[in-house]
Amino acid sequence: AQTVTQSQPEMSVQEAETVTLSCTYDTSESNYYLFWYKQPPSRQMILVIRQEAYKQQNATENRFSVNFQKAAKSFSLKISDSQLGDTAMYFCAFMGGFGNEKLTFGTGTRLTIIP
Amino acid sequence: EAQVTQNPRYLITVTGKKLTVTCSQNMNHEYMSWYRQDPGLGLRQIYYSMNVEVTDKGDVPEGYKVSRKEKRNFPLILESPSPNQTSLYFCASGLRGTNYGYTFGSGTRLTVV
Repeated sequence: AQTVTQSQPEMSVQEAETVTLSCTYDTSESNYYLFWYKQPPSRQMILVIRQEAYKQQNATENRFSVNFQKAAKSFSLKISDSQLGDTAMYFCAFMGGFGNEKLTFGTGTRLTIIP
Repeated sequence: EAQVTQNPRYLITVTGKKLTVTCSQNMNHEYMSWYRQDPGLGLRQIYYSMNVEVTDKGDVPEGYKVSRKEKRNFPLILESPSPNQTSLYFCASGLRGTNYGYTFGSGTRLTVV
């Protein structure tokens, strides 16, 4: 079974600074997908970024980027130029290939952006 | 608008009184799933369904039932709720084979007293 570990329960950073959220995972699969979801106070689950394991290039979405280290099974999220609207709970998640579409979540990191 | 609709958004009930949380998606997704979210535990899968009439247990199925009679609907049933089922519940759906993650409903905050 896959496991996802987020070792930082809470983080805070000044507005406009850069912050990195850590995530490690464990799997025996070779083909899989990794995600970061954002959950603001509205509690809606919002997909931030997605990474395919067979792609070496790190995914980027505007101010959000990942550092995917497949050998180390590490998948960190970097938020550049942080904004107040980035304040949220962030969940790292793992999904296997076809036939194993279960999304396994980490325990989350609560990020607070300080004005 | 493509969405997953969950109802109700908030629910307070008493121990032992049967309840149903509804979930409906309009995206023709084969895969649907229920999660519960608890502080410090993240989201844990309760049940999932790969297609109509196909359901299976997730990680924390005890005390819950589901059904998938139609592709768009996937209700969660608590036949005899207990206080340890007080939680935030999410329904999610996805298209099989795309691995683009899921679309989530807006959540149901359930309190069992």
